Amino acid sequence: DAGVIQSPRHEVTEMGQEVTLRCKPISGHNSLFWYRQTMMRGLELLIYFNNNVPIDDSGMPEDRFSAKMPNASFSTLKIQPSEPRDSAVYFCASSFLAGGPGANVLTFGAGSRLTVL
Amino acid sequence: KNEVEQSPQNLTAQEGEFITINCSYSVGISALHWLQQHPGGGIVSLFMLSSGKKKHGRLIATINIQEKHSSLHITASHPRDSAVYICAVSGRYGNKLVFGAGTILRVKS
Repeated sequence: DAGVIQSPRHEVTEMGQEVTLRCKPISGHNSLFWYRQTMMRGLELLIYFNNNVPIDDSGMPEDRFSAKMPNASFSTLKIQPSEPRDSAVYFCASSFLAGGPGANVLTFGAGSRLTVL
Repeated sequence: KNEVEQSPQNLTAQEGEFITINCSYSVGISALHWLQQHPGGGIVSLFMLSSGKKKHGRLIATINIQEKHSSLHITASHPRDSAVYICAVSGRYGNKLVFGAGTILRVKS
């Protein structure tokens, strides 16, 4: 398996532009997570999906951020309009969770580095 | 107070030294994760543990559930171990990770 695949790896855009980040999870994994990493705040969970359904989006900063998972092999994180404070590395991760209590190892993508000028 | 605290924040070691990074947490968890991130690189999961001890090569992770404390040990450290080591905990249903701030490790040759 090629692992969790994210695109683009780097994006530089101007304030006000729409940004779309993409993620392909590992085949067979049923949970997908979007994280953001900044120097100031470290790693933060933005949203996670279980079986393509958004379970918890309490980490999404504001209405400018939206995420979708139309099928088990694809997810997008969209920022519209983008602002300089959105500059960060955005990681996607996937895992298999059997349901009920418990946890499993996450596999992270390489990240998408976003710079908003 | 953060839910996950790591110490030290920065650590410089000489090649060959034994290294310990500590993690304390204040919430009930289903598992604790140790992650590694190289400069400019992605994040790799090193260990996930909910009790006892795990070992992989020169890396050892331990957890004490009663004391809400975990340690990551690196034996015979090497410059290629230089990275940020991040402790994270999963809640009861394991679906959300809460992260520590990370420990920046530099191993000098």
